[in-house]
This record gives sequence, structure tokens and C-alpha cells, in this order.
Amino acid sequence: DAGITQSPRHKVTETGTPVTLRCHQTENHRYMYWYRQDPGHGLRLIHYSYGVKDTDKGEVSDGYSVSRSKTEDFLLTLESATSSQTSVYFCAISRGQGNGYTFGSGTRLTVV
Amino acid sequence: GQQLNQSPQSMFIQEGEDVSMNCTSSSIFNTWLWYKQDPGEGPVLLIALYKAGELTSNGRLTAQFGITRKDSFLNISASIPSDVGIYFCAGFTGGGNKLTFGTGTQLKVEL
Repeated sequence: DAGITQSPRHKVTETGTPVTLRCHQTENHRYMYWYRQDPGHGLRLIHYSYGVKDTDKGEVSDGYSVSRSKTEDFLLTLESATSSQTSVYFCAISRGQGNGYTFGSGTRLTVV
Repeated sequence: GQQLNQSPQSMFIQEGEDVSMNCTSSSIFNTWLWYKQDPGEGPVLLIALYKAGELTSNGRLTAQFGITRKDSFLNISASIPSDVGIYFCAGFTGGGNKLTFGTGTQLKVEL
């Protein structure tokens, strides 16, 4: 196993509440990514990080923020959850340019 | 952003049949990857392709990097029940570190 864990695995939250998802890796990879998966859309990149405190936006970043204060942890925050953010969220790690990603097992988030 | 068009969207086949799926783009990719996702899990890398025209196998799976660099193909021979899942193509463009994914092909195998 690549040593990547996501928490929580499942969460139900109310509209308007803040939510933080955590991704933890044990392999000291530089690159970390957050994707969301929705039917008909495949996997879409939300944010990614290329080092501690170095992050950038992906294609669907509106309504999301991220932080990376340590190499091993990459946090995704929904400041005020909306129903459109109901999805399955995947974290991924990579050694670097051109290398395939290793994915976590996902977090299923439901916003009611 | 770039889009990867994957087809078919879903397939329902008999055990033992061969399967083919493909991925096309209007942009050039310099790396193509194929992933499989089992229910309740994250995608797992099956095959990586790094050069136009490259043909790579992994057991019963064979993938090809199209000559135009705008497409890729995945074949599964003699399908078995555990082949069930969603198959994603993905690719890198230029010198980027962001992977673009196709919309997936859902494979169902009938015993």
C-alpha cells in the first residue's frame, strides 16, 4: 500500500456548515491532490499542492480551500457546505511530474 | 480545460469475451494512464504509456498510446467477473503535474 488515508470515510452535514476533510500520507511525496467524483463527470481536480504551503487551484475550486502545513497532511475545507458539494472526494499523491497518482479510498460527503 | 472523451460509457458483456474501450482528446497528451476503480475504493493504476505508438501489456490488459498522441485504447482479453468496475483513462499534457481524467467506462460482466 502507498500509505495514504482519508478521513472521515463518510460524513453527513447540513447546508451552511463548515467541513474539513483530511488526507494523510506516510511516504513523503511532494505532490498531493484533491478530486471530486460525480456521475457523468469522472474525476475533477479541486486543488493541489506541490509542497508545504504551496497550493494551487484546479478546475472546480470555487467553494473550496486547502491547506498544507506539513508534508504528510493535505486538508480540504468547505467553508459553507452546499448541496452541490455532495460528492465523493478523493485525495491522491504523486512523486512528481509524469508519474501516476496513488489514490486514497475516498470520503463520501452528503450535504443535506 | 482539457477534456478526455471516453467510450463507451458502459458495457455489459459475457464472461470470456474481449473488451475494448478508448479515450480521445482534442489536445496532445505526452503520457496516458489507465485506471480501474472498484466500488467504494479509489482508482488504481493499471497501465502507463509514455511514448506515441507504445503498446504495453499487463496480464490480460493491453493498452496503446495513439500515434497522434490524442488518443489511447485499452483492451481486456477473456473477461472474468472481477473485471467489473469503472475504467478511467487519464493523461498529462506538456510539463504539467495535473492529471486530466476521462468520464469513465463502467464494465459489467455477466456470468
